[in-house]
This record gives sequence, C-alpha cells and structure tokens, in this order.
Amino acid sequence: NAGVTQTPKFRVLKTGQSMTLLCAQDMNHEYMYWYRQDPGMGLRLIHYSVGEGTTAKGEVPDGYNVSRLKKQNFLLGLESAAPSQTSVYFCASSLIQNEQFFGPGTRLTVL
Amino acid sequence: EDKVVQSPLSLVVHEGDTVTLNCSYEVTNFRSLLWYKQEKKAPTFLFMLTSSGIEKKSGRLSSILDKKELFSILNITATQTGDSAVYLCAVEPNQAGTALIFGKGTTLSVSS
Repeated sequence: NAGVTQTPKFRVLKTGQSMTLLCAQDMNHEYMYWYRQDPGMGLRLIHYSVGEGTTAKGEVPDGYNVSRLKKQNFLLGLESAAPSQTSVYFCASSLIQNEQFFGPGTRLTVL
Repeated sequence: EDKVVQSPLSLVVHEGDTVTLNCSYEVTNFRSLLWYKQEKKAPTFLFMLTSSGIEKKSGRLSSILDKKELFSILNITATQTGDSAVYLCAVEPNQAGTALIFGKGTTLSVSS
C-alpha cells in the first residue's frame, strides 16, 4: 500500500495563477483532510470530507476549493494564488476521525 | 470555541534528559486526544487516549490523559537526538462530521 500520496511535491506559482493539488489514498478511508502548515501556526485545517461527494470548511477555507468526486481522491484548488498562500500543504485520511495518516506534503511558493 | 493549547512552544534539552510536554484543551464534547510526532516531513501517529488515568507507553515515550482537568502530558525519558521534532497534540470532538483540532505544537531540540 502506498498510503497517502500527494502531487506535486513542490511548486512555484506567480500571483494570480491557479493550480490543483492532488491527494490520493489507497486505504479505503472515508475521511480526508487538507491542512496548511506555517511556522509557529501548527496545522490549520482548510477543508475536509467525510465521504465521497461531501466537503466541509475547516478553519482557513478562504481562497481554496475542494472536490471529492472519488473516495480515494481529494483535490485542493487555488483559483487565484496569493503570496499569503505560500505554505506547506498536507493531506490526511482516516477511517473515522481518529488516527489520521498524513501524506508527505507539498511545498508551495507563490511569488 | 473549541481549542487546544500546547506548552511549551519550544524546548531545548541535552541527551539523556527527561522532558514533559503539555496539552490542554477546551472541547464541547470530547471523544479522544491524539499525539503526533513531526520530523522534517509528515506527522506520524504516536498515541490515542480516550480514558482518564490510563497511561499509554511506547518505549521511552508515554502519555496520560486527565479528563477532569482537561489536559494530557507526553513524557520522553532518556532523550536522544532522534527525538528532536515537533510534537503535535490534537483533540477529536464527539460529534459526527467534525475534524480533529490541532494545537500549535511543541518544538523539541535534543543536543548531544
């Protein structure tokens, strides 16, 4: 099992560009999550999903959209990137809410 | 508002020292508390605690929960340089359709 994978691992964008981060899990988990991690801020939840076709806002959802069309995939979109979105993005999944398994992260820089 | 507070924010110790990391929480309906270790990449799961007073142990790491006082501690004995990491505490509310609430983490540095 690959566990939780994220694509891409690194990306540099210019302000105003758009992109999609892909998260995939092969553990048949119902719950999936997108976090961002910034120095001194810990992990902050952007959006999450409790099942295929459902999404919910987390603590910092502005500027991001998500989709969960398939159970194994959770996409995070940035429609118009801003320098404030420079961060490390982690995806996670879990069977129910406890013991989340994390992906390796995506380091995004917005110039 | 539900929240999780960890202390200290950072800590520097010498190899062989024992450290205690703290996590306090305010959650409307509590289900469980989890500890994670994060080195350079993704957080990895350490413990999940649901009952007061029962210590979870793994090697030199142990953790205990106090549901009355709303806190947990993570102990690391005989620290090694490989213990250097960010330790994250998270609380799971007992409410369907909600996510874990993470604290900001404690950065532990162990010097040789």
